[in-house]
Amino acid sequence: DQQVKQNSPSLSVQEGRISILNCDYTNSMFDYFLWYKKYPAEGPTFLISISSIKDKNEDGRFTVFLNKSAKHLSLHIVPSQPGDSAVYFCAASAGNQFYFGTGTSLTVIP
Amino acid sequence: KAGVTQTPRYLIKTRGQQVTLSCSPISGHRSVSWYQQTPGQGLQFLFEYFSETQRNKGNFPGRFSGRQFSNSRSEMNVSTLELGDSALYLCASSLVRDTDTQYFGPGTRLTVL
Repeated sequence: DQQVKQNSPSLSVQEGRISILNCDYTNSMFDYFLWYKKYPAEGPTFLISISSIKDKNEDGRFTVFLNKSAKHLSLHIVPSQPGDSAVYFCAASAGNQFYFGTGTSLTVIP
Repeated sequence: KAGVTQTPRYLIKTRGQQVTLSCSPISGHRSVSWYQQTPGQGLQFLFEYFSETQRNKGNFPGRFSGRQFSNSRSEMNVSTLELGDSALYLCASSLVRDTDTQYFGPGTRLTVL
């Protein structure tokens, strides 16, 4: 049972435009959410996180939005750069276990 | 500070064999988690160790087991390998867990023939 879902397996965006990656979850007990970026042949690297007590967190070009009522999480990248091309995983946790989505492959076209 | 290291990086085994994967966490990190990544399934949680104790376990058969040593290094073992065990196995370490950020190693690519 996939508790964290990323329904878009891939996304293509022009350089300089906004990339929006989406994530839905089913468990209302999740209280911490993260985004990871993964390049081929490397492990995922932490990008940004948000606690359930917030609805927005920014770090440079990356902003994560949390809509608890909709059980929806999104990552905005503005402006998108070719180096952002990677697979992005969202993750959620409740206690000691993290649940990951299946990933969205982002391609930023120069 | 050195990152999470995993050995070996690549492994080829045949059905029925067993395999042991190793993970060395970031110095000072006491929690180690293992994940299996397969196409279309994302990262599936295997188990998490903290202070040599398994704190949490995912929904995998008993053929998958692990342990953690006093220096926080961890090993994962898969017995009686099946073709479906072919995957990238990722190890992640964090200070304690919960809201601590997890840092991932590069993974071990296991191919079962």
